[in-house]
Amino acid sequence: SYVLTQPPSVSVAPGEAAHITCGGDNIGRNSVRWYRQWPGQAPMLVLYDSGDRPSGIPERFSGSNSANTATLTISRVAAGDEADYYCQVFESSGDHVVFGGGTKLTVL
Amino acid sequence: QITLKESGPTLVKPTQTLTLTCTFSGFSLSTTGVGVAWIRQPPGKALEWLALIYWDDDTRYNTSLRSRLTIAKDTSKNQVVLTMTNLAPVDTGTYYCAPRGVGPAGFGPWGQGTLVTVSS
Repeated sequence: SYVLTQPPSVSVAPGEAAHITCGGDNIGRNSVRWYRQWPGQAPMLVLYDSGDRPSGIPERFSGSNSANTATLTISRVAAGDEADYYCQVFESSGDHVVFGGGTKLTVL
Repeated sequence: QITLKESGPTLVKPTQTLTLTCTFSGFSLSTTGVGVAWIRQPPGKALEWLALIYWDDDTRYNTSLRSRLTIAKDTSKNQVVLTMTNLAPVDTGTYYCAPRGVGPAGFGPWGQGTLVTVSS
């Protein structure tokens, strides 16, 4: 089955940019979704189609996807960005849903 | 406004069967392209997709849990039901439902989730 690999944690100072990666075999051929989950809350979509933002998500959130790595970039990180972030794809072979293992973003 | 709410037992004994209901509003599961998924999250762990049902009754299941899961919909009641058999303590976690095809290409908005504890 298809596997998405995320770093368990990423730490960044306020005002800097955070880069959260999601690795998968030829993931560049897939459309990647990214979800943010604040503690005790349900996940929420923050990026789709690898780099588009739903309404209400600030421009500070952007994405890229190429070859075997997709990346969520949060520029000018603030304390409110501290959360768990998950990548997700639909596995092309059977339209199954795959989530990455999640990355905890810590704002120093 | 789209809303979803999960309901079901909070405590289940090992080997028992779990039945969870997702009741939603603001969209219809009879609309082409729309689906509803169940996703769970053990305490402190990652999200795990369980099952997905589409407007045309097409279903998809997590391969590793396929033998234990059944997903069904009641379009007239705006509900999706997930049944999981032979529960074990490792099935403890928060269970979420979320739609696909009602907004941007992903799952959302999500329900608040319901915590299920498997313990004797």
